[in-house]
Amino acid sequence: EPEVTQTPSHQVTQMGQEVILRCVPISNHLYFYWYRQILGQKVEFLVSFYNNEISEKSEIFDDQFSVERPDGSNFTLKIRSTKLEDSAMYFCASRLTTGELFFGEGSRLTVL
Amino acid sequence: AQSVTQPDIHITVSEGASLELRCNYSYGATPYLFWYVQSPGQGLQLLLKYFSGDTLVQGIKGFEAEFKRSQSSFNLRKPSVHWSDAAEYFCAVGAPNNAGNMLTFGGGTRLMVKP
Repeated sequence: EPEVTQTPSHQVTQMGQEVILRCVPISNHLYFYWYRQILGQKVEFLVSFYNNEISEKSEIFDDQFSVERPDGSNFTLKIRSTKLEDSAMYFCASRLTTGELFFGEGSRLTVL
Repeated sequence: AQSVTQPDIHITVSEGASLELRCNYSYGATPYLFWYVQSPGQGLQLLLKYFSGDTLVQGIKGFEAEFKRSQSSFNLRKPSVHWSDAAEYFCAVGAPNNAGNMLTFGGGTRLMVKP
């Protein structure tokens, strides 16, 4: 069964460093998402991406964040200068058209 | 704006007992409704979904949920809980045709199962 894959599964970084989280969505899907979950809290929407552009972003998704689909298969989330409060589990998701989201296993980011 | 409330933060049940996890939503039209399960350190697995039609939906692992429009609820049920069901459960409401944010999650209910 096709699945969304995310790398790395866990990344530890120093505050102020750049981080790139990678996702390979399901191959024929058209909509791509990043969500995050701070430990013990609810899952929050960050950004959605369709037709090679951002379709919606939340207040969390400030200028430190960017997304890219560089090669038609990968979908990346970049955090330019990480802060302590960026420590969270980041989930990538994709969907075909209408219907359910398929989530990856998540990338845990720890900022020291 | 859409929102989801899961009133119970923690629930403990005995193995073999029945389970009901509550979910209430606020949405301007008929939403898509979902239940996801998250085991510790794991991703989000879809248990079941409601898009339209029969208001009682069956999911994986013996779970079911009932959409009640009059109560704006989508409660998750299981007749007999197994120890492996211990996890966190998230209800989510979605906008069917929205190219933007598809899902709004509730705060989650952590289920503990006593032997």
